[in-house]
Amino acid sequence: SQQGEEDPQALSIQEGENATMNCSYKTSINNLQWYRQNSGRGLVHLILIRSNEREKHSGRLRVTLDTSKKSSSLLITASRAADTASYFCATDAKKQLTFGSGTQLTVLP
Amino acid sequence: DADVTQTPRNRITKTGKRIMLECSQTKGHDRMYWYRQDPGLGLRLIYYSFDVKDINKGEISDGYSVSRQAQAKFSLSLESAIPNQTALYFCATRGDISNTGELFFGEGSRLTVL
Repeated sequence: SQQGEEDPQALSIQEGENATMNCSYKTSINNLQWYRQNSGRGLVHLILIRSNEREKHSGRLRVTLDTSKKSSSLLITASRAADTASYFCATDAKKQLTFGSGTQLTVLP
Repeated sequence: DADVTQTPRNRITKTGKRIMLECSQTKGHDRMYWYRQDPGLGLRLIYYSFDVKDINKGEISDGYSVSRQAQAKFSLSLESAIPNQTALYFCATRGDISNTGELFFGEGSRLTVL
């Protein structure tokens, strides 16, 4: 079963716009991580937010975590065509990372 | 050179054949993982290992076996491949002692079973 579920499944925006992706999960977690995957390639870690944190920034990325709602969001500001990829949230519990099904982001030039 | 290397990158085989996917890493990490990715289903954990003597089943281990030959090497085997094992397979490592850090992925092995 998928612990994390991303929403939307697909998102298409214009270059320069902001992109927001959401992740919901079911059980208690130690931390939540976001990964990026270019088509057919390996996943690359973007950012990690711990269960006692509410917000974290890294460059153009902003992640929020609401443990009471069991949800997280990833905001990419001022998107670029190179941001086109699939984005996955992964919840860390019981010494394993469990991945959602991902959001396919397309940034149009 | 990549920190996590998977071989082969692509493989086409027939139903019933035995297949081995190999993973080697130069990161010095103890923890290694095999995931499977299918379209629309994200990544699902097949097996994981916390050290050479430790092997654990993941969510979808049926039909698969693994071998941790050394700290740096973790192989995934399909004893008798079937078409629904057609997927993209990823090896990953994790170095954080508390087991809460990020995963480092290989580039994937695309397996097609005819």
